[in-house]
Amino acid sequence: EIVLTQSPGTLSLSPGERATLSCRASQSVTSYYLAWYQQKPGQAPRLLIYGASSRATGIPDRFSGSGSGTDFTLTISRLEPEDFAVYYCQQYGSSPRTFGQGTKVEIK
Amino acid sequence: EVQLLESGGGLVQPGGSLRLSCAASGFTFSSYAMSWVRQAPGRGLEWLSSVTESGGSTYYADSVKGRFTISRDNSKNTLSLQMNNLRAEDTAVYYCAKIATDGSFDYWGQGTLVTVSS
Repeated sequence: EIVLTQSPGTLSLSPGERATLSCRASQSVTSYYLAWYQQKPGQAPRLLIYGASSRATGIPDRFSGSGSGTDFTLTISRLEPEDFAVYYCQQYGSSPRTFGQGTKVEIK
Repeated sequence: EVQLLESGGGLVQPGGSLRLSCAASGFTFSSYAMSWVRQAPGRGLEWLSSVTESGGSTYYADSVKGRFTISRDNSKNTLSLQMNNLRAEDTAVYYCAKIATDGSFDYWGQGTLVTVSS
């Protein structure tokens, strides 16, 4: 099983600042099969990034994903008020499909 | 518009059973694999099970293997999760999710709460 470790656990930033979230895998993720999801309180997760770097439908271009192998990054170039949420990475290249434990982006 | 609507959650005693359903609309249900994911209170996401487009192949997390059964009815656009021998640690919000062509989970339902308690 591939274990995904996200860091930091909590990121305290102000609107307009840049957010950089990390996701590290215990083994190489097959063929860039790495996704990022956003979840707000009381809501279902929403797909942001798939294939490590492709934005899902309707996702603003301030969200970008990068990385390969075991190290992946989600960057939010300038935080908008609606971006404060919890973010999860997921690998879906091998079974079981595993999620990271999440990074909370909170308002400083 | 893709819509996924879960139902069937509720309070059940330890050792009991529950069947969750997910009604899908807005896409060709039979053309996509589907999955169940859960989230315990205050915790992260846990993938539970997936089923292929035809229902011919199923996959399970070790935590539910042998207790949960995923199935689908393509004639009714419905995904199901039969949960047996429920434990307190199965208490969670259960989400169904559509699996995109590349394998990511591109659409999610709003979830249904399952509480296992005496």
